Amino acid sequence: AQSVTQLDSHVSVSEGTPVLLRCNYSSSYSPSLFWYVQHPNKGLQLLLKYTSAATLVKGINGFEAEFKKSETSFHLTKPSAHMSDAAEYFCVVSSFNAGKSTFGDGTTLTVKP
Amino acid sequence: GAGVSQSPSNKVTEKGKDVELRCDPISGHTALYWYRQRLGQGLEFLIYFQGNSAPDKSGLPSDRFSAERTGESVSTLTIQRTQQEDSAVYLCASSESKDRGNTIYFGEGSWLTVV
Repeated sequence: AQSVTQLDSHVSVSEGTPVLLRCNYSSSYSPSLFWYVQHPNKGLQLLLKYTSAATLVKGINGFEAEFKKSETSFHLTKPSAHMSDAAEYFCVVSSFNAGKSTFGDGTTLTVKP
Repeated sequence: GAGVSQSPSNKVTEKGKDVELRCDPISGHTALYWYRQRLGQGLEFLIYFQGNSAPDKSGLPSDRFSAERTGESVSTLTIQRTQQEDSAVYLCASSESKDRGNTIYFGEGSWLTVV
């Protein structure tokens, strides 16, 4: 069995301040983990993914995430928020031995000027 | 229904055959999305419906892929002349509208294996 929990449904930050979007997962197998972003009128866009290589993963637009097995976490961070970062973010765990991918409920990021 | 429902949940088909995948979104949800995920890969966006129209078809990989939506409800994704490379899980998702902040709800997916 596998599950993913995005701990915050909404996060609001000021432009130029750090971003932290939290994701915890559970999986019976070695998982692959993904973060996706969805802007209005767009499909999901892959930000970054972890697939058992380096535990610190760098993605597009300055985002990065660290896989911490001991904490079963895969939090998404960015040092300085930009107005264009305002969107919905999804954490996904994928363990194909489990037969499916599981998606978090999403976190809405608001960036204030 | 309570959530996004997809059928079939699993489909094994022979190369060259056509397949149809069905998605029943949450009642009242006007936005509907199809995605594909190959083994070990991230999600690939295929197509997005707002009502019965598809403003974004940019992700359909070839002319063998088509999708339609009727009654602002059920959507069907059709793959003609399937190839082994089409083997993947096909995910459908829906939301109340296309506006920011509306949660997107995903179905469990249809697992397609082309042999």
